[in-house]
Amino acid sequence: GAGVSQSPSNKVTEKGKDVELRCDPISGHTALYWYRQSLGQGLEFLIYFQGNSAPDKSGLPSDRFSAERTGGSVSTLTIQRTQQEDSAVYLCASSSHVGQETQYFGPGTRLLVL
Amino acid sequence: DAKTTQPNSMESNEEEPVHLPCNHSTISGTDYIHWYRQLPSQGPEYVIHGLTSNVNNRMASLAIAEDRKSSTLILHRATLRDAAVYYCILRRLFGGNNRKLIWGLGTSLAVNP
Repeated sequence: GAGVSQSPSNKVTEKGKDVELRCDPISGHTALYWYRQSLGQGLEFLIYFQGNSAPDKSGLPSDRFSAERTGGSVSTLTIQRTQQEDSAVYLCASSSHVGQETQYFGPGTRLLVL
Repeated sequence: DAKTTQPNSMESNEEEPVHLPCNHSTISGTDYIHWYRQLPSQGPEYVIHGLTSNVNNRMASLAIAEDRKSSTLILHRATLRDAAVYYCILRRLFGGNNRKLIWGLGTSLAVNP
């Protein structure tokens, strides 16, 4: 079965432009997470979706960041007016919301803001 | 959230056992201990988790101290492919923040041929 996929794998953009990052979770997984990882750092939680519940947006660093999850499956993370400090690897994970909810990660999108 | 403390880096030789320590002195009774690892240029992958008893799976073993204030991930026979950053994370079973995994910097494991 397919794992979590993310696109694009790499994105280079200019400061001030908007970017959209996509995540396709494992089929049937009800929980979806976005994390950010700056160079040499651990993962920073951004947002969490669980079924039809309101998402936990407590990790979003500013109002330039938003995310949606359509039909309980695919998710898009949007960064508006990108800044150089937004450069990082953006990781998506999904889990089945059963038991200890092992998270399965995608390969990430490497974002570079020039 | 209870925090974990891990050494920044460790080194091992190929085909030798590796013991990766983690301290979690503020662990609560409902916190599970999870280990993930992240190979270079990849997303993290689940390794193992446990609550009180030692656990074994095909990837590794997890030894949990009797007071649960520390744990050790054991790779029985390190290979070059085990070179990665290993993260020890506490996951509370109940509570509003259950879904967030609080990630530290982990232990960067180097495996020498």
